[in-house]
Amino acid sequence: DAGITQSPRHKVTETGTPVTLRCHQTENHRYMYWYRQDPGHGLRLIHYSYGVKDTDKGEVSDGYSVSRSKTEDFLLTLESATSSQTSVYFCAMAEGGYGYTFGSGTRLTVV
Amino acid sequence: AQSVTQLGSHVSVSEGALVLLRCNYSSSVPPYLFWYVQYPNQGLQLLLKYTSAATLVKGINGFEAEFKKSETSFHLTKPSAHMSDAAEYFCAVSEPGANSKLTFGKGITLSVRP
Repeated sequence: DAGITQSPRHKVTETGTPVTLRCHQTENHRYMYWYRQDPGHGLRLIHYSYGVKDTDKGEVSDGYSVSRSKTEDFLLTLESATSSQTSVYFCAMAEGGYGYTFGSGTRLTVV
Repeated sequence: AQSVTQLGSHVSVSEGALVLLRCNYSSSVPPYLFWYVQYPNQGLQLLLKYTSAATLVKGINGFEAEFKKSETSFHLTKPSAHMSDAAEYFCAVSEPGANSKLTFGKGITLSVRP
């Protein structure tokens, strides 16, 4: 979709292993976000970035870390995956506070 | 802090009937408000947004929403439902300047009966 892609689209991993999800944008937008979507919870913010090397925590950041070494890439890492982190993860980008453009999501299953 | 309340998790309407999805918000400053739609196994797509201009906002696919400050509401409507409107709908709020962060409601699933 519109200049933002996520990889992989699907992943199955084992409990205790590290996992990295990638978000790549081609729009040179300043802001990028990682959300997780779970039934009954809507979308909850994990981490966000407001520039290269500038990141901050969201409401459900425990167990996750992020990095943004280039404007176009925003990585989400699960240091040691747990079953509670089984979810659909969405990346989004924004510029100017007028709403997000979302990626297509990554479905992560931790077994 | 900002928050969004979407009452109920599921709405069912007949094809051709009025669609009304409710959203109430809380914000410490005049907010920006958004409605997103998510079709099965897809990402979220922006339906419409309010960013302090006209209070009645028209979006894609015949949807519209009205910002009512006195009621802290931003309900989504469509005069006549179509089968293709079946999806999950999310209301979201942001505070201008606050790193553009959106806070989402829990979503409402719309079903359309033939």
